This record gives sequence, structure tokens and C-alpha cells, in this order.
Amino acid sequence: GAGVSQSPSNKVTEKGKDVELRCDPISGHTALYWYRQSLGQGLEFLIYFQGNSAPDKSGLPSDRFSAERTGGSVSTLTIQRTQQEDSAVYLCASSSQYYEQYFGPGTRLTVT
Amino acid sequence: GENVEQHPSTLSVQEGDSAVIKCTYSDSASNYFPWYKQELGKRPQLIIDIRSNVGEKKDQRIAVTLNKTAKHFSLHITETQPEDSAVYFCAATPGWAGNMLTFGGGTRLMVKP
Repeated sequence: GAGVSQSPSNKVTEKGKDVELRCDPISGHTALYWYRQSLGQGLEFLIYFQGNSAPDKSGLPSDRFSAERTGGSVSTLTIQRTQQEDSAVYLCASSSQYYEQYFGPGTRLTVT
Repeated sequence: GENVEQHPSTLSVQEGDSAVIKCTYSDSASNYFPWYKQELGKRPQLIIDIRSNVGEKKDQRIAVTLNKTAKHFSLHITETQPEDSAVYFCAATPGWAGNMLTFGGGTRLMVKP
């Protein structure tokens, strides 16, 4: 079946602009996660959605970052007033079991 | 919270040799330990995982071992091939905290033909 998809694949934006990144999880997966990977670095947890429960936002680096998940499926990560340090690859993952997470291809965000 | 340390950061081996990557974790409540392979410019791919109720798991040329007492786990790749060249990430999660994964810093494995 189809894997996790993300759009856009690349996004270049000017400092101070808002951006929206989209994630389509694997159909039927109840859990959805956002991670951030800076150039040559590891993966940093941002936010986690599980079913209809309140999201775990403990990894969001500032209040400029927010995310929502509509209808228990598609998720949008929004970064307001982007800064150059926001430049990274934003990865989405989904899971149907209690553990295994499958990643999307990521959105490469460049803030100029 | 959980902290995962991964070593080495880079590893170069000759084709056909074995490679071992080690990770330690801090939270004794962690009970699931996946390994991901990430090729340049691509998404992380789950290659093997282990739960805390077993000490070893093997899948063809890759194996993972877990020592819960010492809080460390390792990835073993035997008969390495050039296509094994990639960055490998270990991760850990305590199930009670949901599924968020805490990742190690990654190991760049280079297999020389």
C-alpha cells in the first residue's frame, strides 16, 4: 500500500514568513509524529498525535510552531515568522501498532 | 527524559567485514528499540527492532542485541556490502510515554569495496 507522503518536498521561504507542511499518514494508522532533522544531525521529536487524544507537544521548540490533525488523518505543521534556524528537513511518521513508525520522505525547508 | 548515546559516529569497514554500532539509553522504562537506516537524501527506513522481553533478534545479515541491565543495545551487520553504506540511527521509547522515539546521533557507515 501507499506509504507516508509529505508535501511540499522542498520549500524555500523568506525569514519572517509563515509556512505550512503537510503529512498524509498510512491509511488506518492512528498515530502520527513530526520530527526535525537538521543538516547532518539526528532526529528531534516535535509533536505526536494518537487518535482523538490531546497531542503531545513537548518537543515543539517555540510557540511559533504548531500542528493540527484533521479527521484523524492528514496533519499540518505550521511555522510562523520563520527564522533561519528553522531550516531543516521536517519528517513525518505514522504508526498503527504500539511501536513501529514509518517515515515519509520529508520536507526540506530553507529559510533565507 | 530519555537520552540515547550512539557510537561510533563514523565507521569504515572493508566489504565482507562485520560492523557493530552501539547505543546506550538512560530511561530504564524504555522497552522498544528500533534501528533505522537512512541513505543520503532519503527517508529513514526501519531495518530491525527489538522489544525488552528478548535479548537478541536476527534478520539475515543484521542482528540486534539488548542488555537491559546495562541499558545498552547494539546493531551487528555481517558480511557487509557497499549498499550497506548509509547513516544508521538507534532509538528508544518508554511505551508509557506514548511512542515518541528518542534517537541517537547516528553512525555513518562506509563499506569500502
